Amino acid sequence: AQKVTQAQTEISVVEKEDVTLDCVYETRDTTYYLFWYKQPPSGELVFLIRRNSFDEQNEISGRYSWNFQKSTSSFNFTITASQVVDSAVYFCALSESGSARQLTFGSGTQLTVLP
Amino acid sequence: NAGVTQTPKFRVLKTGQSMTLLCAQDMNHEYMYWYRQDPGMGLRLIHYSVGEGTTAKGEVPDGYNVSRLKKQNFLLGLESAAPSQTSVYFCASSQPPRNQPQHFGDGTRLSIL
Repeated sequence: AQKVTQAQTEISVVEKEDVTLDCVYETRDTTYYLFWYKQPPSGELVFLIRRNSFDEQNEISGRYSWNFQKSTSSFNFTITASQVVDSAVYFCALSESGSARQLTFGSGTQLTVLP
Repeated sequence: NAGVTQTPKFRVLKTGQSMTLLCAQDMNHEYMYWYRQDPGMGLRLIHYSVGEGTTAKGEVPDGYNVSRLKKQNFLLGLESAAPSQTSVYFCASSQPPRNQPQHFGDGTRLSIL
């Protein structure tokens, strides 16, 4: 069965600090997909990134970067020079190669960026 | 540019009452999902549908029923609401291929007294 673990329940940083959110996953599939979603205080879920299991290339998008390592089953998310607007709950999710691509979510990390 | 729309946004029920949550998407997506979000537990899949007229159980289906009579709509029903069903409910939709992200509605906050 698939499982996603986000061990960091809450993180607080001061604005402009870098912060890394950890995500560890378990799956028996060789083909799977990993996602990060952001849930700001307003409550909606915002898609940030997806990664295929056969593509270990790291990705950078502005202040966001993602480090995917199959060897350690991790898909970590780093925010560089954090801003107050980054305050949100961040979810890591996994989808196996089943017929409906159901997402299994981690329990989320509450990030608070202090001014 | 509606995307996924959930109705209602808030609802308070008494134990034993029934209600239906409506999810509508205008992206012509094949797949639709219902999740519930509880504190400290992330989102858990209740039911899903891979196409019009089809539904399947997810991780936590007990106490819920669903229907997908039209491609754009996915209904979640509570036949006899229980306090344990107090939660925030999210609907999502997606489209093949398999690596496409799910698009979520804004959620429905449901309280069962």
